[in-house]
Amino acid sequence: AQSVSQHNHHVILSEAASLELGCNYSYGGTVNLFWYVQYPGQHLQLLLMYFSGYPLVKGIKGFEAEFIKSKFSFNLRKPSVQWSDTAEYFCAVNPNGANNLFFGTGTRLTVIP
Amino acid sequence: DAGITQSPRYKITETGRQVTLMCHQTWSHSYMFWYRQDLGHGLRLIYYSAAADITDKGEVPDGYVVSRSKTENFPLTLESATRSQTSVYFCASSYPGQGHTEAFFGQGTRLTVV
Repeated sequence: AQSVSQHNHHVILSEAASLELGCNYSYGGTVNLFWYVQYPGQHLQLLLMYFSGYPLVKGIKGFEAEFIKSKFSFNLRKPSVQWSDTAEYFCAVNPNGANNLFFGTGTRLTVIP
Repeated sequence: DAGITQSPRYKITETGRQVTLMCHQTWSHSYMFWYRQDLGHGLRLIYYSAAADITDKGEVPDGYVVSRSKTENFPLTLESATRSQTSVYFCASSYPGQGHTEAFFGQGTRLTVV
């Protein structure tokens, strides 16, 4: 079955450490890719998205993600995390012009001060 | 305030009761969605709607009913609530353009079925 995979379920980092969260998908053809963040007790907010062009996209709060088509991946990165980045991060895929998003299971990030 | 709002934010109900979760958006987005969020499953699509009076099933529609008589409202009804429907429910809306879909989410409704 087609899917979106986030293999890291819970990541714990110290402040200033670098972050990379993996996201792989299995949909073929054209895809649009998203990372959403959910801070504790809040709703999902868009961090960044990719739909065409240069494969490295920059989002809010210093996050970036790289689309590697050959690897079906869209990993999220941040060079130096802060305590306020503690949240759950969801990768989502909009495949082949479909009108809804398919989400990964999420990665919980805990940043220790 | 403009945006997408859900009500109630929290709800406790008994097994077998009918429950309706409300969702209202002020952007006139054509698409609206209902997701449920559960540990280990992420977000799963229950139903979505492409426009008023057009709805379609998502990944986990069983036990739920939706309607969309007006563009701005997309209520979700649990006809006879079960404990397995205890979850956090998110409504979202989007306005597809340029071949991509960015969804805007409501604050969520935490539903507990006892």
